[in-house]
Amino acid sequence: DSGVTQTPKHLITATGQRVTLRCSPRSGDLSVYWYQQSLDQGLQFLIQYYNGEERAKGNILERFSAQQFPDLHSELNLSSLELGDSALYFCASSVSGTSGSYEQYFGPGTRLTVT
Amino acid sequence: GESVGLHLPTLSVQEGDNSIINCAYSNSASDYFIWYKQESGKGPQFIIDIRSNMDKRQGQRVTVLLNKTVKHLSLQIAATQPGDSAVYFCAENLSGGSYIPTFGRGTSLIVHP
Repeated sequence: DSGVTQTPKHLITATGQRVTLRCSPRSGDLSVYWYQQSLDQGLQFLIQYYNGEERAKGNILERFSAQQFPDLHSELNLSSLELGDSALYFCASSVSGTSGSYEQYFGPGTRLTVT
Repeated sequence: GESVGLHLPTLSVQEGDNSIINCAYSNSASDYFIWYKQESGKGPQFIIDIRSNMDKRQGQRVTVLLNKTVKHLSLQIAATQPGDSAVYFCAENLSGGSYIPTFGRGTSLIVHP
């Protein structure tokens, strides 16, 4: 158990809908990272937050957004969902995330299925 | 765009053997590299990282080697155990201070008892 929790574990929704994925980092970790893993694209980095502020942005679509709240939990919002958004979404956390080692602890993931 | 790739999609070894998983990267500006392990049904697990000012780094039973001349990264696992069976990913990060990694497709390591 990494200490990172993600909810829900599974999510099935229809095209065009909007969903919110939730992540609670390990106690004491200030950085939260979001990743998407699909069969055709592999693992892709989406976005990083550090202590409530966006720190780095990767291959995140404009239909997707994220935020980190004062209690450090994070949410990833996916809107206007398309079939191709079906994937595993992982959250990870780290103590720092501003420099040095980016040793991260991953959550179990949320499996999103868009029908 | 440039990407990180793996030489072998599947590697089968016997328990007790040493395993070597290779990774080629194409962006010479990358200065930070990470290896992850992902077991079936679980999230990735950080194994070890290395910065470009080093050519070798050792952890517990694992060693990462970096050859910047040929843009090659390898993960060596000593005395491989059945619990090491998983998919292994390498990731490269461009210099500049921000964390924006690019991941390879992964190599499946199968350890036979």
